[in-house]
Amino acid sequence: QKEVEQDPGPLSVPEGAIVSLNCTYSNSAFQYFMWYRQYSRKGPELLMYTYSSGNKEDGRFTAQVDKSSKYISLFIRDSQPSDSATYLCATPKAAGNKLTFGGGTRVLVKP
Amino acid sequence: DTGVSQDPRHKITKRGQNVTFRCDPISEHNRLYWYRQTLGQGPEFLTYFQNEAQLEKSRLLSDRFSAERPKGSFSTLEIQRTEQGDSAMYLCASSLAGGNFNQPQHFGDGTRLSIL
Repeated sequence: QKEVEQDPGPLSVPEGAIVSLNCTYSNSAFQYFMWYRQYSRKGPELLMYTYSSGNKEDGRFTAQVDKSSKYISLFIRDSQPSDSATYLCATPKAAGNKLTFGGGTRVLVKP
Repeated sequence: DTGVSQDPRHKITKRGQNVTFRCDPISEHNRLYWYRQTLGQGPEFLTYFQNEAQLEKSRLLSDRFSAERPKGSFSTLEIQRTEQGDSAMYLCASSLAGGNFNQPQHFGDGTRLSIL
C-alpha cells in the first residue's frame, strides 16, 4: 500500500463547476499536507499548504484535512479551463522534509 | 526571483551512455532535492543536500547514480550506463532549511530523459 493515494482520473468538469479532489494517507504521523498543480511538461507548483486538521482557503481554492479519516481534499470553485492540470497531494516526512507524493489526479475543465 | 532552473530540458541518449543533469536552485535556498517522475505517477524522492552535504539517498538511487553539490550552490545528477528503466522526468527542488516542515519546496521544470 502506498503511503499517499489519489484517484488518477481524469476528472472532467464543465467550466464554472466545483472540482473536488481527494487523497488518503496511511501514516497517522503525517501532519503537514500540500497540494501541487502540475501542467504538462512543467514542474509541480505549490498551491496550498495545510497543517493538521481543518480548512484553509485561498481565493478559489479550499484545502481540508480530516486526520481522523486520514483524508485530505482540495476544492476548486468556479473552475476555469486554465485549471486543467494534474493535481498532486504531498506530505513531508522526517528530517529533511522529503516529500511523499500521491500519484496525481488529472483534471480537465471544459469550456 | 529566477526560480529553480534545470538543464537540459530534454536529453535523448542511447542505452549504456552516461548522462549528467544540472540544477540551479533559488539563490538563498540551502536545501536541494532531486526527484524522479515517471508517466502517470507522482514524483519520487531520490536524494537531498543541505548546503554541500548529501544527507539522504533513497533506495531508488542505485550505484549508477551520483549527485553532487559543490560549494552548496548548483547540483549535478549523473547516471552511468543508462538503462531503459531510467527514462523519466528528473525534477529538482529547493527550499530553505527549517526546524519544522513548513518550508515549501519550489520545483524546476525538470529534465526529461529518454533512453533509446
